[in-house]
Amino acid sequence: AQRVTQPEKLLSVFKGAPVELKCNYSYSGSPELFWYVQYSRQRLQLLLRHISRESIKGFTADLNKGETSFHLKKPFAQEEDSAMYYCALAEGGNAGNMLTFGGGTRLMVKP
Amino acid sequence: NAGVMQNPRHLVRRRGQEARLRCSPMKGHSHVYWYRQLPEEGLKFMVYLQKENIIDESGMPKERFSAEFPKEGPSILRIQQVVRGDSAAYFCASSINGGMLAFFGQGTRLTVV
Repeated sequence: AQRVTQPEKLLSVFKGAPVELKCNYSYSGSPELFWYVQYSRQRLQLLLRHISRESIKGFTADLNKGETSFHLKKPFAQEEDSAMYYCALAEGGNAGNMLTFGGGTRLMVKP
Repeated sequence: NAGVMQNPRHLVRRRGQEARLRCSPMKGHSHVYWYRQLPEEGLKFMVYLQKENIIDESGMPKERFSAEFPKEGPSILRIQQVVRGDSAAYFCASSINGGMLAFFGQGTRLTVV
């Protein structure tokens, strides 16, 4: 069975510092990985997906199949990045509809 | 398009009562997914429905939980005889079809007292 692990429940950094939110997964097939973000009092929304290989709001994430990781990175954190971040996995080709989520990491960016 | 709408946003039920959670998908979306988030945990998949059909219910508890998505009207997640352990946030997502990305609602927070 697939599993997604986010080892840090809380990550606190100062504005302008680099950020890395860790995500590791276990899945025997070819997974599709996502990062979702939930800002305070807002709905869960897709931040990025690995197949797009794009940068959203300065965030990037690279799928490392060797290490089974999909860490989310941003070189310079902003206060508005403070939110809950969830890493999620879907079976390849399923386009992310029956997702397996990690437990989430709360990012706090201090001024 | 108002997005995926869930109501109520907050629901309080006494033990043994029934809880009915509603999800109106985005316009044009015929696929609905329900997830549950227990305190301090990530979202867990419960059930996937297409209009009038249950496609996958592998994440649904075997007893007391049921879901439907009728031809007309919202999808309903129904929990009978609620217990304290059912207290959680329940999220609904919808998509145009099974191969497209789903959009999430704001969730219903169920508290069982």
